[in-house]
Amino acid sequence: DAGITQSPRHKVTETGTPVTLRCHQTENHRYMYWYRQDPGHGLRLIHYSYGVKDTDKGEVSDGYSVSRSKTEDFLLTLESATSSQTSVYFCAIRPTSYNEQFFGPGTRLTVL
Amino acid sequence: DQQVKQNSPSLSVQEGRISILNCDYTNSMFDYFLWYKKYPAEGPTFLISISSIKDKNEDGRFTVFLNKSAKHLSLHIVPSQPGDSAVYFCAASGETGNQFYFGTGTSLTVIP
Repeated sequence: DAGITQSPRHKVTETGTPVTLRCHQTENHRYMYWYRQDPGHGLRLIHYSYGVKDTDKGEVSDGYSVSRSKTEDFLLTLESATSSQTSVYFCAIRPTSYNEQFFGPGTRLTVL
Repeated sequence: DQQVKQNSPSLSVQEGRISILNCDYTNSMFDYFLWYKKYPAEGPTFLISISSIKDKNEDGRFTVFLNKSAKHLSLHIVPSQPGDSAVYFCAASGETGNQFYFGTGTSLTVIP
C-alpha cells in the first residue's frame, strides 16, 4: 500500500463549472503524477510534479492546471469542465529510488 | 501519436496455459519498460519491469522479454490462473524517468 488517496472518488458536474481533484500521499515522495484513462487511449499523462511548486506538463495538459503547495498533496483543476474531460483520473507517485509508479484508486468524473 | 502500442485489445486463455501479451514502442530513447495490471474500479498495480540493458526479467509466473532491435516487449504468464483476468498495460520511460507512456491495454480473460 503506497498510501495514496484520491478525493472525491466520484463526481458529476456540469459543463463550465470548475472542478478540483485531490491526491494525497502519506510517504512524502517527491514525484507525483496525474493521468486520465479513456477507452482506446489507455493512460495518458496530464501533469506531473517533481517537488513542491515544481510541475510540468504531460501529453494531454490542455484544459488542466495543477498545484503542489505541500509535498503530500497534488491538486488537479479543471477551470471550466467540458464533456471531453469525462474520464477516470488516476494519481500516481514514484519513489525517488524507483522506476515504478504506484497508483491511487482513481476518481470517476462525469461532465454533463 | 501513440508511442507505446498494444495491438490486441483482448485475449482469452485456458487456465493452466500460457498467456502472452505483446507491446510495441516507437521511441528508441525509451530505456525502461513496465507492465501494470488493472482490475475494474481499482488503480493499476505494478507487475514487473525490465531495463533496456536486459532482454529478460522473471518474477515467479511472470516473465517479460525485451527485443530492442524490434522495439517489442512481451509479458508471459505461466501458468495462467483465473485471478490473472484483468487489463494489462505496458509502459515505457526515458532517461529522466519523469514521463511514462502507456499502451492502450489488453484485457486478459483466463477461462477456468
